[in-house]
Amino acid sequence: QKEVEQDPGPLSVPEGAIVSLNCTYSNSAFQYFMWYRQYSRKGPELLMYTYSSGNKEDGRFTAQVDKSSKYISLFIRDSQPSDSATYLCAMSAGTGGYQKVTFGIGTKLQVIP
Amino acid sequence: DAGVTQSPTHLIKTRGQHVTLRCSPISGHKSVSWYQQVLGQGPQFIFQYYEKEERGRGNFPDRFSARQFPNYSSELNVNALLLGDSALYLCASSLYRGQETQYFGPGTRLLVL
Repeated sequence: QKEVEQDPGPLSVPEGAIVSLNCTYSNSAFQYFMWYRQYSRKGPELLMYTYSSGNKEDGRFTAQVDKSSKYISLFIRDSQPSDSATYLCAMSAGTGGYQKVTFGIGTKLQVIP
Repeated sequence: DAGVTQSPTHLIKTRGQHVTLRCSPISGHKSVSWYQQVLGQGPQFIFQYYEKEERGRGNFPDRFSARQFPNYSSELNVNALLLGDSALYLCASSLYRGQETQYFGPGTRLLVL
């Protein structure tokens, strides 16, 4: 079983829709939860990070963490064609004095005009 | 301010050769991490360097090595290249040792023939 599971998609939605992206994980030691956006042939771009459980909002993006269920989500409101990209979840736990970051496989999102 | 820069952008090598990839972090950032991203997968952690010392290593063979220089730039070296080493190699920098707010460069795309 992978430490981080993420549906690779692709996920196609019409412009303006609310998008829900999710990851599950098995390592209860994970403390930081991040979401990255990666456009084709580019490096990942940090969107948001949260520590432990709870919600965090930034503009059209909302990140949720439920540690009891080992489940994290990213919601995108009023989705735009420019949001079309691969979305990577990532998690880190302190191990031996440093934080090893583990990524999901990424979900490919296409927003159709 | 310039973001994380990596060189070269693309590289073609043959099996058995050696390769050196370079990374310059965001000004003021003291931590550099290296990741390998195979097509269709999420980034896999290779190394983290903080204050010029190795602080973490992922599950990669000893053919992979790295170092960080006094100006915090970094090199990733891979010896005895295999076909399976073909991937996008990403460098990420963060201000301190924590990787929850790391910023990625555009990557070096390595093709091993």
